[in-house]
Amino acid sequence: AQKVTQAQTEISVVEKEDVTLDCVYETRDTTYYLFWYKQPPSGELVFLIRRNSFDEQNEISGRYSWNFQKSTSSFNFTITASQVVDSAVYFCALSEAQYNFNKFYFGSGTKLNVKP
Amino acid sequence: DGGITQSPKYLFRKEGQNVTLSCEQNLNHDAMYWYRQDPGQGLRLIYYSQIVNDFQKGDIAEGYSVSREKKESFPLTVTSAQKNPTAFYLCASKGPGAGEKLFFGSGTQLSVL
Repeated sequence: AQKVTQAQTEISVVEKEDVTLDCVYETRDTTYYLFWYKQPPSGELVFLIRRNSFDEQNEISGRYSWNFQKSTSSFNFTITASQVVDSAVYFCALSEAQYNFNKFYFGSGTKLNVKP
Repeated sequence: DGGITQSPKYLFRKEGQNVTLSCEQNLNHDAMYWYRQDPGQGLRLIYYSQIVNDFQKGDIAEGYSVSREKKESFPLTVTSAQKNPTAFYLCASKGPGAGEKLFFGSGTQLSVL
């Protein structure tokens, strides 16, 4: 079974629209970590955010915000007023502290196209 | 600057040939990883190493081999047994402890001639 599900394969928006990328995870561990990475066309994955399972506070960083809800096992990512430079593939990932904290589970990614 | 260096950026393999992808890190990380990414797909784990002289198979290890003789280096060999090697290969490393993020290299695009 998939531990991390990103159901949206590809999303297209027009510049300045808001967009939310969904991430649903599955774990039995009580302590775990969730991550978002951005992969621009150049290919290298860029770290965006890490959230641990004990911190459900939403986070905002400029135009980016993250909504972590343990009740629904979701860690969604919203880009406000999207820009062409936001076009990339975005990956959500899970790391479990108890079983093997060196192993990461990645979602299949969501490709975001922001059109001018 | 600390980081991960992958080389070469592009690599071509002939039929029946083994090729080796290089990954070096100067972050003093114990854990290192190799992922494969096919066009429009997610990341699939090939091998990872949690410490020098030790490594574990990931989800798609068949046709690949690795070594971890030095902390800073984790080369990946794509053997002739890997029948469909064309893909983008990403190397990553991670600091000690739970919750540390992965640092990624810039990737190697491998193609078959």
